[in-house]
Amino acid sequence: NAGVMQNPRHLVRRRGQEARLRCSPMKGHSHVYWYRQLPEEGLKFMVYLQKENIIDESGMPKERFSAEFPKEGPSILRIQQVVRGDSAAYFCASSLRGPGNTIYFGEGSWLTVV
Amino acid sequence: EDQVTQSPEALRLQEGESSSLNCSYTVSGLRGLFWYRQDPGKGPEFLFTLYSAGEEKEKERLKATLTKKESFLHITAPKPEDSATYLCAVQGNFGNEKLTFGTGTRLTIIP
Repeated sequence: NAGVMQNPRHLVRRRGQEARLRCSPMKGHSHVYWYRQLPEEGLKFMVYLQKENIIDESGMPKERFSAEFPKEGPSILRIQQVVRGDSAAYFCASSLRGPGNTIYFGEGSWLTVV
Repeated sequence: EDQVTQSPEALRLQEGESSSLNCSYTVSGLRGLFWYRQDPGKGPEFLFTLYSAGEEKEKERLKATLTKKESFLHITAPKPEDSATYLCAVQGNFGNEKLTFGTGTRLTIIP
């Protein structure tokens, strides 16, 4: 997992607050993916981004969730008005050239909504 | 829709007892099949990528193989430090960049 940096590692939010999760991909990687892992469930794809572009957001909930990967700075996954069901581990991953290439994951951000 | 099924859900082995984990998949054109290891509270750690049927890859006590319908992760003479959840994922070939994961096999190696 060396290289993909996520922060914060743990985040506690009250219902209705906003959560912002940040991800810096491995050096030289311009493809970023976000996945969610609910307790006792597998990893589920949320969104795939390249610099300044959302390529595939088919796994993203239609409301309250958004993602960006600006030209400068980390990728951000934003969850507005969090609910208890948003409690999960959120993993960022990156790859060098996109589909078919090795995808490396970060250590995750654990969101708890109270 | 791509699907991945892993079996068994959990496996307990004595140290040194070799075994295999199974990953069955359906995908619209396979771009790659990935194996990851995940320790509790950590992110998935990349192990192998397999691209075509008949391909094999090895790393220490692990060997991954691929057919047109399934992949096996063979563990030879495992040690307690091999205890982890092993995840299998597929990536399809038709403009679909996402990895579809199985729910994993939780492996415990007993000293």
